Amino acid sequence: KQEVTQIPAALSVPEGENLVLNCSFTDSAIYNLQWFRQDPGKGLTSLLLIQSSQREQTSGRLNASLDKSSGRSTLYIAASQPGDSATYLCAVSYSGNTPLVFGKGTRLSVIA
Amino acid sequence: GAGVSQTPSNKVTEKGKYVELRCDPISGHTALYWYRQSLGQGPEFLIYFQGTGAADDSGLPNDRFFAVRPEGSVSTLKIQRTERGDSAVYLCASSTGGRRETQYFGPGTRLLVL
Repeated sequence: KQEVTQIPAALSVPEGENLVLNCSFTDSAIYNLQWFRQDPGKGLTSLLLIQSSQREQTSGRLNASLDKSSGRSTLYIAASQPGDSATYLCAVSYSGNTPLVFGKGTRLSVIA
Repeated sequence: GAGVSQTPSNKVTEKGKYVELRCDPISGHTALYWYRQSLGQGPEFLIYFQGTGAADDSGLPNDRFFAVRPEGSVSTLKIQRTERGDSAVYLCASSTGGRRETQYFGPGTRLLVL
């Protein structure tokens, strides 16, 4: 059974700090990996999608890297802001257009 | 344009009752997914439709759960004889069906079984 693990489960940082969220997956034969953001009581918003052939993707202050051979991905958030406070979920797909396998998420609080 | 919508946003029911949860995908999206998210957990896959047919229903926990998508657009998740353990947020997602396309999620239906 494929498993996705996210560390830490929760993180609290002061505003302006750079931070890294970690994701690991047991089966390295992934098709792609996505990072999502979830605000309390809301659905999921896709932040970045990395295909298995790619090493990283960037969007604004966010950078996601993928090391498929070691089964790891990181989400780097630069110059964190209070508005970044949310739960960040990592999910993998094992072939195109198939169900995603999610981690439990990292709950981030950015303190002003 | 309109995103994925789900109704109702909240549903409270009593143990043993029947419930239906509705998902309206993005127009033109052929692939539709149902996930269930318990408190403090990530979403877990339930069922996936490609067009009108269920391409993968391996995530449905038991035969009390059933889903349909009769015209290849709107989908309904049906839960019979609800149990307290069914309480969760039920999320729906859709995509174009293309191999590199991301899934777009709705806001979810929060189901509470008393």
